[in-house]
Amino acid sequence: DTEVTQTPKHLVMGMTNKKSLKCEQHMGHRAMYWYKQKAKKPPELMFVYSYEKLSINESVPSRFSPECPNSSLLNLHLHALQPEDSALYLCASSQVAGSGNTIYFGEGSWLTVV
Amino acid sequence: RKEVEQDPGPFNVPEGATVAFNCTYSNSASQSFFWYRQDCRKEPKLLMSVYSSGNEDGRFTAQLNRASQYISLLIRDSKLSDSATYLCVVNSWNYGGSQGNLIFGKGTKLSVKP
Repeated sequence: DTEVTQTPKHLVMGMTNKKSLKCEQHMGHRAMYWYKQKAKKPPELMFVYSYEKLSINESVPSRFSPECPNSSLLNLHLHALQPEDSALYLCASSQVAGSGNTIYFGEGSWLTVV
Repeated sequence: RKEVEQDPGPFNVPEGATVAFNCTYSNSASQSFFWYRQDCRKEPKLLMSVYSSGNEDGRFTAQLNRASQYISLLIRDSKLSDSATYLCVVNSWNYGGSQGNLIFGKGTKLSVKP
């Protein structure tokens, strides 16, 4: 079982809704990530947090807003999404954000925008 | 040339077969390499890291050739439970301005049949 926990597992939201995806890890990792994965495609990096600070934003639209309240938690706030944003959203963590560090994924949150 | 390229697949093999996956990467400064496995509608899970000296874990053997920028995964005596998509993953610190980014290949689907 993964040690990165994501909630909710499934989320259906309208284009005017505001919702949040949550992620938690208790492995003492100081790097946390959000990835987006569409069907039959590999995961695509969205954000990287290193020591609770945003270090990478891969040109993600502002309707996705990440937040890292502490070293164990990572949120992704969603607002005014489009149907094409429907995807699997994967949270991941690693010991630190650097080459050679294994990245561990949560089970993902399946998001459907209607 | 794509950043990480894999065999297109799908690979359909009988139980007990030996199957080999190949992967090439374009950034010669890449520093760490992995094979992840992803089951249908599940998160990617680390199968093994890949080292220049080659490494083996039971029925799985991974090889890295830095000169050719080539990574391989060999599965011997394949089992029904090996059916999944295998993702070649390269971690390049400071790659393209993104620090510590995992670059995923598109994955190769393996189906092991009885």
